[in-house]
Amino acid sequence: AQKVTQAQTEISVVEKEDVTLDCVYETRDTTYYLFWYKQPPSGELVFLIRRNSFDEQNEISGRYSWNFQKSTSSFNFTITASQVVDSAVYFCALSETLQGAQKLVFGQGTRLTINP
Amino acid sequence: KAGVTQTPRYLIKTRGQQVTLSCSPISGHRSVSWYQQTPGQGLQFLFEYFSETQRNKGNFPGRFSGRQFSNSRSEMNVSTLELGDSALYLCASSLAAKGTDTQYFGPGTRLTVL
Repeated sequence: AQKVTQAQTEISVVEKEDVTLDCVYETRDTTYYLFWYKQPPSGELVFLIRRNSFDEQNEISGRYSWNFQKSTSSFNFTITASQVVDSAVYFCALSETLQGAQKLVFGQGTRLTINP
Repeated sequence: KAGVTQTPRYLIKTRGQQVTLSCSPISGHRSVSWYQQTPGQGLQFLFEYFSETQRNKGNFPGRFSGRQFSNSRSEMNVSTLELGDSALYLCASSLAAKGTDTQYFGPGTRLTVL
């Protein structure tokens, strides 16, 4: 069965520090997709990134960057120069496709607190 | 483009009652998925609909059901509510012609069962 593990339950840093959120996944599929979502206190899950299993190139978007390593089944997320607005719960997810339908398997989430 | 909308945003029910939650997907999106989020179990997949057909179902009892209309709007129903059904119910939509598209989530409906 597919599984996503986010070992860090909570992280607290001071503003402007860099922070990395870890994500390790398990799957037997050769083709799969990985996602990161942000959940602010309002509750809505905000899409951040999607990566397919054939694209191991790291991606940078502003202060956000993602490191995908198939060899270690990891898809880590780094926020550079963190800001208070980055405070949220972050979820890593793995897609599972059955009969054409997509189902997301989520990790337990990492609660990130950025202190001023 | 308007995002995914869910109504109502908050609900309070008592044990034994039933509840219906509504989800309107992003315009053009034909797939709607539902997830339950609780502090203990995290985010769990309920079911997914595409073109009015349920394509996938999670491991939930039959009290949880859903449907999708021809305009892609979806509803989920929970009958005979239990205290453990208290949760944030999230709806997500995607183009999902092939099941690999990104899912975009609504703000959720927070259900409290007393």
